[in-house]
Amino acid sequence: AQSVTQLDSQVPVFEEAPVELRCNYSSSVSVYLFWYVQYPNQGLQLLLKYLSGSTLVKGINGFEAEFNKSQTSFHLRKPSVHISDTAEYFCAVSDPSPGGYQKVTFGTGTKLQVIP
Amino acid sequence: NAGVTQTPKFQVLKTGQSMTLQCAQDMNHNSMYWYRQDPGMGLRLIYYSASEGTTDKGEVPNGYNVSRLNKREFSLRLESAAPSQTSVYFCASSEWFGDSKNIQYFGAGTRLSVL
Repeated sequence: AQSVTQLDSQVPVFEEAPVELRCNYSSSVSVYLFWYVQYPNQGLQLLLKYLSGSTLVKGINGFEAEFNKSQTSFHLRKPSVHISDTAEYFCAVSDPSPGGYQKVTFGTGTKLQVIP
Repeated sequence: NAGVTQTPKFQVLKTGQSMTLQCAQDMNHNSMYWYRQDPGMGLRLIYYSASEGTTDKGEVPNGYNVSRLNKREFSLRLESAAPSQTSVYFCASSEWFGDSKNIQYFGAGTRLSVL
């Protein structure tokens, strides 16, 4: 069974400072990894994904994440945050087996609060 | 391209009332999902439909029923609403293959209060 842990429920950071949101996963097989963002009163939307290949993945709005297989982590980073990045961020994992339906498991989310 | 459309956006029910939340997607996806989101608990899967004609229970199915009406539509029914079902409900869809494999596309949510 796969699971996702987001240890930080809230992360306050000053505007223009760097930020890292942590995500660790557990799975007995190789995985697909995702980060989603949820702005207030909206649904989730994909920020970036790791399927295979380069372990450094770039997403929208200047975010990037690095897949670390040995540490089973997929931390999200941004070198300089803006007020508009205030949102909740969800890490997710799924099984990359070919064909058919594969379950996606979400973490409990990290609220990023950017302070002016 | 509307993506995933949920109706209604807001609803207030009295305990014991029933209602159906509607969801439709226009991306021709095989799989559809219903989640509930509560503070501090992230997203919890209620039911999912891996493909047209199939439905399966998720983590928290009690008190809910679903219908996969066709490939586009997946509805969630509360037969007898309880205050514990006060939540924000999200519908999502995904595909099995290609570059979008396993990426879930979400609707804007239905905010439900049960008094």
